[in-house]
Amino acid sequence: SQTIHQWPATLVQPVGSPLSLECTVEGTSNPNLYWYRQAAGRGLQLLFYSVGIGQISSEVPQNLSASRPQDRQFILSSKKLLLSDSGFYLCAWSGQGSYQPQHFGDGTRLSIL
Amino acid sequence: QKEVEQNSGPLSVPEGAIASLNCTYSDRGSQSFFWYRQYSGKSPELIMFIYSNGDKEDGRFTAQLNKASQYVSLLIRDSQPSDSATYLCAVHNAGNMLTFGGGTRLMVKP
Repeated sequence: SQTIHQWPATLVQPVGSPLSLECTVEGTSNPNLYWYRQAAGRGLQLLFYSVGIGQISSEVPQNLSASRPQDRQFILSSKKLLLSDSGFYLCAWSGQGSYQPQHFGDGTRLSIL
Repeated sequence: QKEVEQNSGPLSVPEGAIASLNCTYSDRGSQSFFWYRQYSGKSPELIMFIYSNGDKEDGRFTAQLNKASQYVSLLIRDSQPSDSATYLCAVHNAGNMLTFGGGTRLMVKP
């Protein structure tokens, strides 16, 4: 069966510091991968998605970036965090093909001080 | 802008009752529809999906879809306190991306 791992679970970072969140998927190949952010009490905002190695699409302008160095690895990064980057970051995967459901990792709760 | 709308709630039902959660969407080209459950502080968990008009049942859960009215609902029978969570409706649009509603918070009172 497929599993998705996301770490760390919680992170407290000072403003201006860099960020690296990692997500890996097991049990499937060539998945679609997604990064979402959920602000407190709010809905899910799609940040990035990837349909293959090195292929990244950004949904919103921001100071975050994403990379997919391997088929089942997805990384969310920032060079300098802002206070507004606080939130719950979720990685998700789906199978290739139309209208596949997305499955989420456990998430990373990021607090910026 | 493709939108998915849900009443934020909270929807409060007594234990054992039927909880009815509703969702409307704006994109007529939407082809698949999903319900996720999200406990406080946790990530969303897929609980139901539906592709065709009508009802789809899975245990205590029934998803209902009416494409003509652009309306999808989730019924939870015999609601339990453990069902208390936020329920997210998600819709696949023609661009093959999921759009999520803001979620409805359900409270099941013992």
